[in-house]
Amino acid sequence: EPEVTQTPSHQVTQMGQEVILRCVPISNHLYFYWYRQILGQKVEFLVSFYNNEISEKSEIFDDQFSVERPDGSNFTLKIRSTKLEDSAMYFCASGGITGANVLTFGAGSRLTVL
Amino acid sequence: KNEVEQSPQNLTAQEGEFITINCSYSVGISALHWLQQHPGGGIVSLFMLSSGKKKHGRLIATINIQEKHSSLHITASHPRDSAVYICAVFTGANSKLTFGKGITLSVRP
Repeated sequence: EPEVTQTPSHQVTQMGQEVILRCVPISNHLYFYWYRQILGQKVEFLVSFYNNEISEKSEIFDDQFSVERPDGSNFTLKIRSTKLEDSAMYFCASGGITGANVLTFGAGSRLTVL
Repeated sequence: KNEVEQSPQNLTAQEGEFITINCSYSVGISALHWLQQHPGGGIVSLFMLSSGKKKHGRLIATINIQEKHSSLHITASHPRDSAVYICAVFTGANSKLTFGKGITLSVRP
């Protein structure tokens, strides 16, 4: 069964460092999302991406965050200068050609900012 | 603002019991997901519903659009069903998911 692949599974970084989280969505999907889950809290929407541009973003997704689909397969989330409060599990999801509502999630990337 | 409420907050059951988890939301939606999250964090989509009822193995999901309510039922529960069950809704086509807090289910042998 096709799956969404995320790397790294866990990253530890120092505050202020740049981090790039990578996702390989399902190959024929058109809609891509990043969500995050701070430990003990509910999953929160960060950003959605369609047709090579951001279609929606949350208030969490400030200027420190950016997304790219550089080569038609990878979908990346960059955090320019990490803060302690960026520590969370980050989930990538992609939506099928029949519509964005049918989502497949990746296993997540755990980011720990020290 | 769409709120997604789940009940009960935590649930403990004995193996074999029939389990119901509820979800209510406050605005009109285009679709609802039931998701499962195991310790270690990965999220798996169990069902996507926009009306009626779906069944997969021992899991049944129902939705009542008029009442803005959905239920997830687990028949003949098993310890491996122990996980966090999350309800999440789409409010429009191609839109973001709004998540509930999730319910922690523990099934005792």
